[in-house]
Amino acid sequence: NAGVTQTPKFRVLKTGQSMTLLCAQDMNHEYMYWYRQDPGMGLRLIHYSVGEGTTAKGEVPDGYNVSRLKKQNFLLGLESAAPSQTSVYFCASSYSTRTSGRANEQYFGPGTRLTVT
Amino acid sequence: DAKTTQPPSMDCAEGRAANLPCNHSTISGNEYVYWYRQIHSQGPQYIIHGLKNNETNEMASLIITEDRKSSTLILPHATLRDTAVYYCIVGGGSYIPTFGRGTSLIVHP
Repeated sequence: NAGVTQTPKFRVLKTGQSMTLLCAQDMNHEYMYWYRQDPGMGLRLIHYSVGEGTTAKGEVPDGYNVSRLKKQNFLLGLESAAPSQTSVYFCASSYSTRTSGRANEQYFGPGTRLTVT
Repeated sequence: DAKTTQPPSMDCAEGRAANLPCNHSTISGNEYVYWYRQIHSQGPQYIIHGLKNNETNEMASLIITEDRKSSTLILPHATLRDTAVYYCIVGGGSYIPTFGRGTSLIVHP
């Protein structure tokens, strides 16, 4: 049981390049999330998904797109990278937030460190 | 969803109890209080959650006031490995978790 994995762990992009970050979970979770974290800041929600085939915008969605074609995978895309997107990106998953309590516990991946020059 | 307020930083001596406060004065009746921590650039890790009653697990204790407007996370015997950023989150039903800046706890020898 690997939990939540993220690929790649590190990446350097030039301005204008595109890339896709992959998040995978093997816990059969319904909900998946993408956050970014900048130095000295908390986590900010980019996009999230409440189930296969569905996605929704979070707090800071501009410049990113997502897809959830399979329940276990949640992809985050940067179509044209900008220096402002230099950050650490965390993926998370949870069973569901339709009920409360432990089912809402989020499991996080190790993060992807992205630098855009 | 209710917002939370936490002190930006705290420190604690190793072996002593660390008491981390969280204010959530706008919490509604069906919202739980969750605590996570993030150790140096790792992904956040769930610690504990509660609704009304005090809770305890192998990591920490959670004390929620009777009016539920605030709570305290207690690490009973803090170690250097407890140095981390601690996040308090409230939510219930179909909430989507959002994280503030949390409290940076430094445990010193």
